[in-house]
Amino acid sequence: SYELTQPPSVSVSPGQTARITCSADALSKRHAYWYQQKPGQAPVVVIFKDSERPSGVPERFSGSSSGATVTLTISGVQAEDEADYYCQSGDSSGVWVFGGGTKLTVL
Amino acid sequence: QIRLVQSGAEVKKPGASLKVSCKADGYTFTFYSIAWVRQAPGEGLEWMGWVSGNRGNTKYAQKFQDRVSMTTDTSTSTAFLELRSLTSDDRGMYFCARVGAEEGMDVWGQGTSVSVSS
Repeated sequence: SYELTQPPSVSVSPGQTARITCSADALSKRHAYWYQQKPGQAPVVVIFKDSERPSGVPERFSGSSSGATVTLTISGVQAEDEADYYCQSGDSSGVWVFGGGTKLTVL
Repeated sequence: QIRLVQSGAEVKKPGASLKVSCKADGYTFTFYSIAWVRQAPGEGLEWMGWVSGNRGNTKYAQKFQDRVSMTTDTSTSTAFLELRSLTSDDRGMYFCARVGAEEGMDVWGQGTSVSVSS
């Protein structure tokens, strides 16, 4: 399997744009997923297949992919977006992996 | 309402086995796989494996390969995680999640807290 690399933390002020990256060579061939987890809660998928947004997820959440890096972008960050964010992907044999997680702090 | 309901908190001794259940409600169980994810206290998410809802096919993370079993009971729409030879490193929260065809892990259980202590 392989590792997905995320920055441990990202900080932004309310209303600004937060970008969280996730990197691995395999991401150039495999889809990535993004999960939001707030303290004491189960994770929630916010982006699937690199850039698709599930129904019910605010439009300010978007995803993109470029080569070996995928990016979760939160435009106009709100206080309620403060959470841990995890990227996830898998290989062709069905083995999955999570990134180490990024703590988003809204200043 | 689509949901996954997990069994309650567990307290185990080192060397014991753990079995957690995950009951699906509100959708056709056999149409989806169930993934298991654990989270040690203060740590990140760790994928353990998945089991298909129809045939019970499995894929495990190499780390757990020799001491984990994931099964299903289609008659009750329930998935099970069994983890053997527990150590203190197995403490944490265990989540089950439905695996959408394309949507990733789109429905999650509430989590089951596991303590391991002598």
